[in-house]
Amino acid sequence: SYVLTQPPSVSVAPGQTAKITCYGTNIGRYSVHWYQQKPGQAPVLVVYDDSGRPSGIPERFSGSASGNTPTLTIRRVEAGDEADYYCQVWDDGSAHYVFGTGTKVTVL
Amino acid sequence: EVQLLESGGGLVRPGASLRLSCVASGFTFRKYALNWVRQAPGKGLEWVSGISGGGKTIHYADSVKGRFTISRDNSKSTVFLQLNSLTAEDTAEYYCAKDQYDSGTFSNFDMWGQGTLVTVSP
Repeated sequence: SYVLTQPPSVSVAPGQTAKITCYGTNIGRYSVHWYQQKPGQAPVLVVYDDSGRPSGIPERFSGSASGNTPTLTIRRVEAGDEADYYCQVWDDGSAHYVFGTGTKVTVL
Repeated sequence: EVQLLESGGGLVRPGASLRLSCVASGFTFRKYALNWVRQAPGKGLEWVSGISGGGKTIHYADSVKGRFTISRDNSKSTVFLQLNSLTAEDTAEYYCAKDQYDSGTFSNFDMWGQGTLVTVSP
């Protein structure tokens, strides 16, 4: 089955930029989506189709897929951005949704 | 406002069955694929099952295939998940999640419910 790998943790100071990567075999052929999950809450979609941003999501959140490495970037990080972040794809071959392993973002 | 409200979770013994429900509102229910995603305590997200808007296309994760059954009643804007032969490994928060696009494809989850907890323990 298809596997998506993320760094377990990222630490960032307030006001700085956090980058979270998502690795998978031939991931360039997939549309990648990103979710934020705060403790005790349901996940929230923050980026869709590599770089789309749902309404209500701050512009500080952006996605890219350049260099075949999908990346979620959070600019001007705030304390409220502390959460777990997951990437996700739809794998046509297996007809499965696949989530990444998750990255815990800690704001120092 | 789009809302998804799950119910049906609880504490059950290994081998038991449970039926989860998710009532939706705020969108044209029959046009969208609905899914169940679970999260074991302290673990990551795991997709469980998905069903197309018309109910004809259904997919399951390998970990639940043959034990869980997804269905939907478009007249009641409700999606169900029947859980059979439960084991401790099925203990998790179960979320109902709506697919973003009404094109009939499976893509991502743009709306989530708050979840219902299933605990399997002797």
